[in-house]
Amino acid sequence: DGGITQSPKYLFRKEGQNVTLSCEQNLNHDAMYWYRQDPGQGLRLIYYSQIVNDFQKGDIAEGYSVSREKKESFPLTVTSAQKNPTAFYLCASSTTRDAEAFFGQGTRLTVV
Amino acid sequence: GIQVEQSPPDLILQEGANSTLRCNFSDSVNNLQWFHQNPWGQLINLFYIPSGTKQNGRLSATTVATERYSLLYISSSQTTDSGVYFCAVCLDYGNKLVFGAGTILRVKS
Repeated sequence: DGGITQSPKYLFRKEGQNVTLSCEQNLNHDAMYWYRQDPGQGLRLIYYSQIVNDFQKGDIAEGYSVSREKKESFPLTVTSAQKNPTAFYLCASSTTRDAEAFFGQGTRLTVV
Repeated sequence: GIQVEQSPPDLILQEGANSTLRCNFSDSVNNLQWFHQNPWGQLINLFYIPSGTKQNGRLSATTVATERYSLLYISSSQTTDSGVYFCAVCLDYGNKLVFGAGTILRVKS
């Protein structure tokens, strides 16, 4: 089936550790995005990438890093510099700059 | 940056009732989407509607781009319609999808 796969579904991290969230798509989409959602809030953009080996910061990029070495993959690393990383993280992809975006099922990250 | 405002923030309906959700945006956009977030957090695509009117079963949406608003209509609501409805817009000059704060819909049986 075509779609966007995020893993893991749930992730627990100790303070001071870096963790990497996986996002893979087999839709042949050019653009990929990472969003963060806090309880009762909307989605805020962390990073996005329009082509391989290129990405741009979104509104809340501090404490996060990404890579885009393959068209189908856009992993997000939550570093120890992120002050409040506990949140729901959603990955999305789309074809062109104005095309419809589709989302994965999300990863819930909890710092323990 | 662009502002996306959704109203009402909360809505409680009796099963079978109709409702209208509104999305206002402060700048010209190339893309507007409506999503339904289910209790598990999954964002379900409802409409991709930069302009005009579309219908899908009991749901329909209208975007008037020149007046910078979009409406989502839900008719004969069901308990499975409960959840959060988000409006999101894509700016002319970038590829970023900017979200509103959402409308929380509760449908009672």
